[in-house]
Amino acid sequence: KQEVTQIPAALSVPEGENLVLNCSFTDSAIYNLQWFRQDPGKGLTSLLLIQSSQREQTSGRLNASLDKSSGRSTLYIAASQPGDSATYLCAVCPGGTSYGKLTFGQGTILTVHP
Amino acid sequence: SQTIHQWPATLVQPVGSPLSLECTVEGTSNPNLYWYRQAAGRGLQLLFYSVGIGQISSEVPQNLSASRPQDRQFILSSKKLLLSDSGFYLCAWSVLGPGTQYFGPGTRLLVL
Repeated sequence: KQEVTQIPAALSVPEGENLVLNCSFTDSAIYNLQWFRQDPGKGLTSLLLIQSSQREQTSGRLNASLDKSSGRSTLYIAASQPGDSATYLCAVCPGGTSYGKLTFGQGTILTVHP
Repeated sequence: SQTIHQWPATLVQPVGSPLSLECTVEGTSNPNLYWYRQAAGRGLQLLFYSVGIGQISSEVPQNLSASRPQDRQFILSSKKLLLSDSGFYLCAWSVLGPGTQYFGPGTRLLVL
């Protein structure tokens, strides 16, 4: 059974800092890994999707990397802003016929203070 | 562009009452549809997914059921709610295959 762990559980940083969120998974037989953002009381917003054959994906100030063999992914946020405050979730999608059935981590609660 | 709707946004129901939550997707055809529950301290858990009309797969044995009466409509139901059914219910869609999933705004259910 796939298990996804996110470290740290919570992170508080001053505005302007670069930061790294970590995600690890136990079964490396994944199809892709997705990072999401969730604001309080809201649904999830997709940030980045990395295919299992890729090493990284970038979108603006966000960069996600994937090391499938070691079961790890990181989300790098450059020059953090107060608007980045949210819960960040990673989710892995298994390969084979079970595609689309995401397993989520518990999330990292990020607070960026001015 | 594609949009996903969920209603109601908030629901307070007594134990033992029935439940019906609705999710609709616009701007796409034959999407994969998903129901998730997010309970305090337990993270997001996949409840049901559907690859087509009338095709429902259940991930977790529970007090809930799902139906897909139309291509872009996904309904979550219960005949008798339990206290443990409280949570934040999220509907999502993706194109066929393991692509990006797009989530709705969610329904917060409180069972008293």
